[in-house]
Amino acid sequence: SQTIHQWPATLVQPVGSPLSLECTVEGTSNPNLYWYRQAAGRGLQLLFYSVGIGQISSEVPQNLSASRPQDRQFILSSKKLLLSDSGFYLCAWSLVLPSYSYEQYFGPGTRLTVT
Amino acid sequence: QKEVEQNSGPLSVPEGAIASLNCTYSDRGSQSFFWYRQYSGKSPELIMSIYSNGDKEDGRFTAQLNKASQYVSLLIRDSQPSDSATYLCAVKPRGNNRLAFGKGNQVVVIP
Repeated sequence: SQTIHQWPATLVQPVGSPLSLECTVEGTSNPNLYWYRQAAGRGLQLLFYSVGIGQISSEVPQNLSASRPQDRQFILSSKKLLLSDSGFYLCAWSLVLPSYSYEQYFGPGTRLTVT
Repeated sequence: QKEVEQNSGPLSVPEGAIASLNCTYSDRGSQSFFWYRQYSGKSPELIMSIYSNGDKEDGRFTAQLNKASQYVSLLIRDSQPSDSATYLCAVKPRGNNRLAFGKGNQVVVIP
């Protein structure tokens, strides 16, 4: 069965510091991978998605970036955090197969507080 | 026009009653529709997928899809306190590799 991991679970970082969040998927190959942010009391905001190694699509212009160095690894980064970057960061995966039809499965999330 | 809309405010239902949630979407070519449950402080969990018009039942959950009217709904029968959560509607727009999510509806089941 497939498993998705995210770390760290919680993070408190000062404004202006760098960020690196990691997501890995086990038990599947060539998944689509997604990064979302959910601000307190708000809906899900898609930040980036990737359909393969090195292929990144950005949905929202901001000070964040994403990379996919391996098939099942997705990294979210920032060089300098802003207060507005606080939120619940979620990684998700999906398969583009008829039996799955883009069902997305979420990791446990990272709660980031920028102080 | 938002891609996916969930307009109802928090829904309070007594234990054992039916909770009904609705969602409308804008892209008539959408093919895949999903309901997620999100407990407070946790990540969303996929609970229902529906791809064709009509009803799909899974335990106490029933998803209903009407492509002509562009809406999808979720019924929770015999609501339990453990059903208290936010329910997110998601739709796959045509020609996209992503899902569009609604803002969610909070359900509170009162014992």
